[in-house]
Parts: sequence; C-alpha cells; structure tokens
Amino acid sequence: KQEVTQIPAALSVPEGENLVLNCSFTDSAIYNLQWFRQDPGKGLTSLLLIQSSQREQTSGRLNASLDKSSGRSTLYIAASQPGDSATYLCAVNTGTASKLTFGTGTRLQVTL
Amino acid sequence: DAGVIQSPRHEVTEMGQEVTLRCKPISGHDYLFWYRQTMMRGLELLIYFNNNVPIDDSGMPEDRFSAKMPNASFSTLKIQPSEPRDSAVYFCASKTGSYEQYFGPGTRLTVT
Repeated sequence: KQEVTQIPAALSVPEGENLVLNCSFTDSAIYNLQWFRQDPGKGLTSLLLIQSSQREQTSGRLNASLDKSSGRSTLYIAASQPGDSATYLCAVNTGTASKLTFGTGTRLQVTL
Repeated sequence: DAGVIQSPRHEVTEMGQEVTLRCKPISGHDYLFWYRQTMMRGLELLIYFNNNVPIDDSGMPEDRFSAKMPNASFSTLKIQPSEPRDSAVYFCASKTGSYEQYFGPGTRLTVT
C-alpha cells in the first residue's frame, strides 16, 4: 500500500526566503505526482504535475523535482511571499494512473 | 470554463437524515472523483468514475454511502442514514486522461 509522507508538517519563514518542501513515498512504481496548495476553508489548487518519466517541472517561482528510485519529490519555492501561505499537499498516482494517495501536507506561513 | 461545481457548499443535518451532495465536472473531462477530508484521516478517495462508470469504490466507508453518475455532467454522493462521524469536507474532482485533477470548492457537511 502506498504511503506518502511530507516533512516538515509546518514551516514559518520570512518573506523573500527560498524554501523546499519534501514529499516521500514508499512505492516507487508511480504513474505521476501532483503538487497542490490548499487555502484555509477552500478546495485544492493544482500547482504542478510531474509524469514518471520526467525529472522536474517549473511554473513561475515553483519548481518540483522527482526522484522515483529514491521515492522522493521536492517543491522549491523561490523568493517566498505572504500570499504563498497555505497548506501544500503532494499526491501520488500509483498503478491505475487515477487513484491519488495524498500526503498529510506542509502548512507554510510566510511572514512580513 | 467555470471549473468543478459542487452544491451545496455547506450542509447541516441531523443524524439519521439523508444527505445528497452534487457535482458538475469540467466539461470534456472523462474522470470524476469523490474525496473526503477530515483532520484525523486527511484526504481519502471514496470512489471514482470513468466515462460515467464506477471504476473503484473501495474507499466508500460503508453501505450507507452511494454514488451515481447518470451522465457526463452530473454526479451525486448520497449518505443514508447520516451519522455524526460523517462530518467532513467532501470534494469532487475531475480530469481527462493522464492529466492533472481539478478540485471543486468542497461541501462542508455537519451531522448533529
């Protein structure tokens, strides 16, 4: 059974800092991996999708990497802003390419 | 496109009552997913459909839960009878092919 872990559970950084969020998964036979953000009381917003054949994906200040063999993904946020404050979730598609297994998330606070 | 639409956004009901949650996926998407989010268990996949056909309902907690997708633009998740432990945020998501999943805003269910 796939298990997804995110470390740290919470993170507070001053505005402008670069930061890395970590995601690890136990079964490396994944189809793809997706990063989301969730604002309090809101739904999930898709940030990046990395297919199993890819090593990284970039969108603006966000860069996600994938190392399937070691069961790890990282989300790099450059020049953090208060508007980046949210919970970040990674989710892994294993087997059927449709069932996402979610991590428990990293709650990020970017302070002024 | 308006994105994934869910209704109602909030539902408060008494134990034993029937609850029906509704979802309209993004037009053209052929997969639809129902998730439940709680503080204790995080995000869990309940059931998903492909081309209106239920593919995997192994996440449905018990027989009190049922889901239907009568056509490509509408799905329901029904709980009958509801219990306090069903209180959670229920999300609907949709996607096409191997691409990313898009989530609706969720329905916050409270069963008293």
